[in-house]
Order: sequence, then structure tokens, then C-alpha cells
Amino acid sequence: KNQVEQSPQSLIILEGKNCTLQCNYTVSPFSNLRWYKQDTGRGPVSLTIMTFSENTKSNGRYTATLDADTKQSSLHITASQLSDSASYICVVSDRGSTLGRLYFGRGTQLTVWP
Amino acid sequence: EADIYQTPRYLVIGTGKKITLECSQTMGHDKMYWYQQDPGMELHLIHYSYGVNSTEKGDLSSESTVSRIRTEHFPLTLESARPSHTSQYLCASSGTPGTDTQYFGPGTRLTVL
Repeated sequence: KNQVEQSPQSLIILEGKNCTLQCNYTVSPFSNLRWYKQDTGRGPVSLTIMTFSENTKSNGRYTATLDADTKQSSLHITASQLSDSASYICVVSDRGSTLGRLYFGRGTQLTVWP
Repeated sequence: EADIYQTPRYLVIGTGKKITLECSQTMGHDKMYWYQQDPGMELHLIHYSYGVNSTEKGDLSSESTVSRIRTEHFPLTLESARPSHTSQYLCASSGTPGTDTQYFGPGTRLTVL
């Protein structure tokens, strides 16, 4: 069964600190992996996208890594800001259909305290 | 910021009422999607469309229906709302050349009393 598991479920950190969010998946065949940020009451916004051959991708203070062999990804946030408080969702796409089916994790709820 | 819009943003309605959630995008995307999301849970695909006059059911069974008469418009309708329909509904679209990234609207938070 294709699944995406994220950990931790929730995380609280102080402003300025770094943190790392984890994503494990069993989706096969694999096409790409995205990290989305979803602010409360808003739709998800894409942060990074990685294909099978990419190990790391950065977007400002966000750095995503991918190990396609172990089917694991991480999202590292450096020098956190209050505006980083949101749910971070790992999304894996398969290439087994023309739709490019997406599998969503439940997200990690990050809270940044001043 | 993606050019995809949803109205209303919030809706509180009584059981048995017919409702339509609006979704429109100005990016010229062919593919559009409706997702349902409960708090702390993953998004579930309930409907999608490849283009005008094309609609398909998603993975999660839903009593809602959709239509795609125009490229930019993908409304979702519930003929008779029930409390079990209370949820957040997210609309998305994709089709930007070079990427299959889905761009999401802000969502509609539906509460059925």
C-alpha cells in the first residue's frame, strides 16, 4: 500500500533555532517528492520538489534532502522565524498513471515561539 | 502566490441545503482537483478534471458532484448537505509547462449543522 508517514506529528521550537522534519514513504513507482507549507486556514504552497536523481534542494532557509534508496526525505529549517509556524506536508507522486497520483502525509505542525 | 480562488472562504449551513463551492483559476491550467481535508489529517482527492467536459471521481468517496464547463471554473456541488460533510475543501490546478506542481486555493471551511 502506498503511504507517506511524517514525524514528528508536532514540534515546538524557539525563534532562531533550527529543526528537521522527517518523511518516510512507500510509494512506488516513484516520480518526485514535494514539501508543502500550509498556513492555518490556507491552501498548501510548494516549497521544494525533488526527483529520483536529486539528493538535496534548497529554497531560502528551507533545505530538503532525499534518499531514494531508503525512501526517506527530510526538511531542514534554519534560523526559524515566527512566520514558519505552519503545517509542513510531504507529498509523493507516482509515475504509474497519467494523473501523476499524489500521496499526502498528515503533516508536521510546527510552532515557533518568540 | 497562485492565481486560484475559492469562494466562499467559510460557510455555515443547515442540514438538507444545497450548496455550491466555487473554484476558479486564471493560469489556463487544464487539470483541476478537489480535495477534502479534516484537521490534522491528510488531503484526500475527491474529484479531478483533465479539461473541459472531463470529470472523474477521486480516491475518497464523496456525495458531491463537479462540473467543468469552462477551463477556468470547477465548481463542487452538494445537493443535500449533512453534518458528515463538515470539512475543509481545497481546490487545486496544475498545467504550468515544465512542472506538474499543483497550486492550491485558500480553501472553503464548510460546517453543516
